[in-house]
Amino acid sequence: GAVVSQHPSWVICKSGTSVKIECRSLDFQATTMFWYRQFPKQSLMLMATSNEGSKATYEQGVEKDKFLINHASLTLSTLTVTSAHPEDSSFYICSTGQAYNSPLHFGNGTRLTVT
Amino acid sequence: RKEVEQDPGPFNVPEGATVAFNCTYSNSASQSFFWYRQDCRKEPKLLMSVYSSGNEDGRFTAQLNRASQYISLLIRDSKLSDSATYLCVVNQAGTALIFGKGTTLSVSS
Repeated sequence: GAVVSQHPSWVICKSGTSVKIECRSLDFQATTMFWYRQFPKQSLMLMATSNEGSKATYEQGVEKDKFLINHASLTLSTLTVTSAHPEDSSFYICSTGQAYNSPLHFGNGTRLTVT
Repeated sequence: RKEVEQDPGPFNVPEGATVAFNCTYSNSASQSFFWYRQDCRKEPKLLMSVYSSGNEDGRFTAQLNRASQYISLLIRDSKLSDSATYLCVVNQAGTALIFGKGTTLSVSS
């Protein structure tokens, strides 16, 4: 069964609104979660690393004030896309693993469309 | 140079064919290697880890060449259900996984 649950799977919103995506680890406590973004026909690009109880680490070029990450518990991390624009339309996916070099467990992804 | 490079394909093969994908990585400090499978509009799923000695899982064989910094995936007796995008993934100590763009495979009857 799934070890990472991501919600919602699909969302359409108007430009300027904010969207919150939740990622839950079901079978183990995840001190670290990763947030990726994937544009059509592109690879998964790491946006940020979310650490429980501390600030997230953002990759170069990712605006931390636009993509707010909260990891308040060992089982839940959230990504909020603030003031979404059409160029933010993408497939957002979270993942976690039990060790830094272990295979990742992915959530089922969130397909965001901003109109 | 990109960190992980793959031939995007698509590879169009008939059922029963054998097909091989290659992937190169730029960082010699990379320590862990994986092949993931991603179906259209779905999350990636682990297909297999890649070990230095090479490893096999049914019709799938993965190999690693550290000297040349490339990884391969061989699929024998292709099935229609093998149609997907195959992602090459590498990892260095203490970092998140790095994904290639993927190689698309289409198996036809």
